[in-house]
Amino acid sequence: GEDVEQSLFLSVREGDSSVINCTYTDSSSTYLYWYKQEPGAGLQLLTYIFSNMDMKQDQRLTVLLNKKDKHLSLRIADTQTGDSAIYFCAESKGNTDKLIFGTGTRLQVFP
Amino acid sequence: EAQVTQNPRYLITVTGKKLTVTCSQNMNHEYMSWYRQDPGLGLRQIYYSMNVEVTDKGDVPEGYKVSRKEKRNFPLILESPSPNQTSLYFCASSPGRTGQPQHFGDGTRLSIL
Repeated sequence: GEDVEQSLFLSVREGDSSVINCTYTDSSSTYLYWYKQEPGAGLQLLTYIFSNMDMKQDQRLTVLLNKKDKHLSLRIADTQTGDSAIYFCAESKGNTDKLIFGTGTRLQVFP
Repeated sequence: EAQVTQNPRYLITVTGKKLTVTCSQNMNHEYMSWYRQDPGLGLRQIYYSMNVEVTDKGDVPEGYKVSRKEKRNFPLILESPSPNQTSLYFCASSPGRTGQPQHFGDGTRLSIL
């Protein structure tokens, strides 16, 4: 079946690293994505990783993929108050463009 | 500027009064999709379209219709809205090639009384 799970909340202190976790069930997923949603706004693509990769780094963002455990994580280094938002992981289905989203993790950054 | 534009951004209406939410993209994308976002449920796909005149149901299509007469437009139609369709709606588009990320509009918040 199709299921993408995330924890609902994460609270971190400014300057610390944040790690947002995601698990998925569909082993045929080809791409996995992280989107950011700020209040009142749409979804902004942060980064994505192809399923044959283990890691992708883009400035403060590091994505780790454990395909065996179907576990995806997003690490934000030096977290800032502007990083406060809801973060969604999503998987794409095989050769289609259909996205299956997780429930979203609300990241709160406090001073 | 490349974008996906939805209108209206906010709408409060009553049960049974037909409404249409428009979606337009200027990127010549083939794939377009509608999602609804509800607390604790993430985003769920309502309908999608692989190209002009090609549409198909997503995971939660009941109570909705769509059309794709032109490549750039993909309106979402609620023929007889009900309170359980109160939600935040997003339109998205992508080139249609596997792995190309979807671009999202800013969302439409619908309240059905």
